[in-house]
Amino acid sequence: EAGVAQSPRYKIIEKRQSVAFWCNPISGHATLYWYQQILGQGPKLLIQFQNNGVVDDSQLPKDRFSAERLKGVDSTLKIQPAKLEDSAVYLCASSLLGGSSEKLFFGSGTQLSVL
Amino acid sequence: QQPVQSPQAVILREGEDAVINCSSSKALYSVHWYRQKHGEAPVFLMILLKGGEQKGHEKISASFNEKKQQSSLYLTASQLSYSGTYFCGTENAGNNRKLIWGLGTSLAVNP
Repeated sequence: EAGVAQSPRYKIIEKRQSVAFWCNPISGHATLYWYQQILGQGPKLLIQFQNNGVVDDSQLPKDRFSAERLKGVDSTLKIQPAKLEDSAVYLCASSLLGGSSEKLFFGSGTQLSVL
Repeated sequence: QQPVQSPQAVILREGEDAVINCSSSKALYSVHWYRQKHGEAPVFLMILLKGGEQKGHEKISASFNEKKQQSSLYLTASQLSYSGTYFCGTENAGNNRKLIWGLGTSLAVNP
């Protein structure tokens, strides 16, 4: 089966610019996650969608980050304006139902460098 | 609330064994283990749900001691392909079962 697809693979921008990341989860997976992974750290959950509704966005910096999940399938994460500390790998993951103790399938991530 | 992993880094020769620990200050419902190779996506290894549960995946196994709020990942007769960063994620007991990740343990297996 096809895995979680993310694009772009790499992105370099200057601070105060905007950037968007795209994610296509595994077909049929109801739950989609966006994680931020800073170098040397574990993934940090930014937002969790169940179908096209938000389940958890408590750690999303809402003044600059936004995310949407179109028709409960693809998702886009946007940063506007970007700050230096946003430099990280942004991982998208999906799971079948989103219940606790469920296996997550990760995409390869988008590596963002903010200069 | 973030689980603590130890050691931070391990260097092995092919064929040697290693143990990676994951501990929490909170009562746990489950522990998840993933491996991430440099520049790649984290890959699922196993989930442990019950106290004292052990699971295995080839020569990689894990235990979960619910009372001690900790899990250990055992890598036996390590292979070069085991190199990467191992992350544990924990779900707390109770209603808020958000998966929280540790900082990871870097494992390098050399020939």
